[in-house]
Amino acid sequence: KQEVTQIPAALSVPEGENLVLNCSFTDSAIYNLQWFRQDPGKGLTSLLLIQSSQREQTSGRLNASLDKSSGRSTLYIAASQPGDSATYLCAVMTGFQKLVFGTGTRLLVSP
Amino acid sequence: DAGVIQSPRHEVTEMGQEVTLRCKPISGHDYLFWYRQTMMRGLELLIYFNNNVPIDDSGMPEDRFSAKMPNASFSTLKIQPSEPRDSAVYFCASSIGTSGGATDTQYFGPGTRLTVL
Repeated sequence: KQEVTQIPAALSVPEGENLVLNCSFTDSAIYNLQWFRQDPGKGLTSLLLIQSSQREQTSGRLNASLDKSSGRSTLYIAASQPGDSATYLCAVMTGFQKLVFGTGTRLLVSP
Repeated sequence: DAGVIQSPRHEVTEMGQEVTLRCKPISGHDYLFWYRQTMMRGLELLIYFNNNVPIDDSGMPEDRFSAKMPNASFSTLKIQPSEPRDSAVYFCASSIGTSGGATDTQYFGPGTRLTVL
């Protein structure tokens, strides 16, 4: 059974810092890995999707990497801003259209 | 497009009552998903549909839970009878459904927060 773990569970940083969120998964047989953002009281918003054959994806200040063989992914956020405060979830697609989510990292960026 | 629409946003009910959650997916999306999010178990897939047909309901916790998709623009998740342990946030999501699924992004609704007293 696929298990997805995210470390740390919570992170607090001052504005402007670069930071890294970690995600690990137990079964490397995945279609893709996705990073989502969840704001309080709202649904999830997709940030980045890395296909199993890819190593990384970038969008603005966000960069996600994937090392399928070791079962790891990182989400790098450059020059963090208070608006980045949210919970970040990673998910792996294990079967066709089936996502298994991690437990999330709650990020707080202070002005 | 208005995105995925869910109703109600909040539902408070008493144990034993029937609860119906509703979802309108994004127009043109072929896949619809129901998830449940709790502090203890995180976000879990309950069931998903392709072209209105249930494909995988292995995540549905008990027979008290049922889901339908009578047409491409509407789905319901029903709990009958409800129990306090069903209290959670229920999300609906949809995706366009490309070949293989490797590039598909799921678009989530705002969720329904269910409290069963």
